[in-house]
Amino acid sequence: EAQVTQNPRYLITVTGKKLTVTCSQNMNHEYMSWYRQDPGLGLRQIYYSMNVEVTDKGDVPEGYKVSRKEKRNFPLILESPSPNQTSLYFCASSGQRNTGELFFGEGSRLTVL
Amino acid sequence: DAKTTQPTSMDCAEGRAANLPCNHSTISGNEYVYWYRQIHSQGPQYIIHGLKNNETNEMASLIITEDRKSSTLILPHATLRDTAVYYCIVRVEGFGGTSYGKLTFGQGTILTVHP
Repeated sequence: EAQVTQNPRYLITVTGKKLTVTCSQNMNHEYMSWYRQDPGLGLRQIYYSMNVEVTDKGDVPEGYKVSRKEKRNFPLILESPSPNQTSLYFCASSGQRNTGELFFGEGSRLTVL
Repeated sequence: DAKTTQPTSMDCAEGRAANLPCNHSTISGNEYVYWYRQIHSQGPQYIIHGLKNNETNEMASLIITEDRKSSTLILPHATLRDTAVYYCIVRVEGFGGTSYGKLTFGQGTILTVHP
């Protein structure tokens, strides 16, 4: 089954404790991206990657890092999480062979205390 | 990418057509209009997209004005399960153009379908 898988789905952590949210897709997609969603602010793009070893900032990249060492994986790294990074996070992918539609993961709800 | 403007919320009676407008007056010639919807806090789901011709699939119809500055998503027979946030975005199709990567979703339209 074609899918985008995020882990963990839920996480409560404390300020300053490094964490990684993983994202994996099994559709051989070149494009992957991360979004955060906060009440009243819609979906805001954090980082995106056009292909392996190619990443670029979205609208709200501060406090986040990403890497794209393999085509299928695009982890989101919070080196020193802060309470303002409490949010619902989505990973999405899209491929050159399809029509540009994005496939989204189920989301990861992160709480930073 | 061109920016889009949508109403904050809309209501629709079950069984009636839901018509959701989107304004994209700065759309470029190679940018498509895409629609997604998000139910509760699930990941957004692709609905339909188009360039300048009207499009229809099993979920919805998309009507794009001749000048391409606005479009309307039509859910022909809305059900309670269509209650969701609907997002309209514009982007190039496939991998053409530098605007492919950075995407802005905005806040979308909250559609409430009532009995």
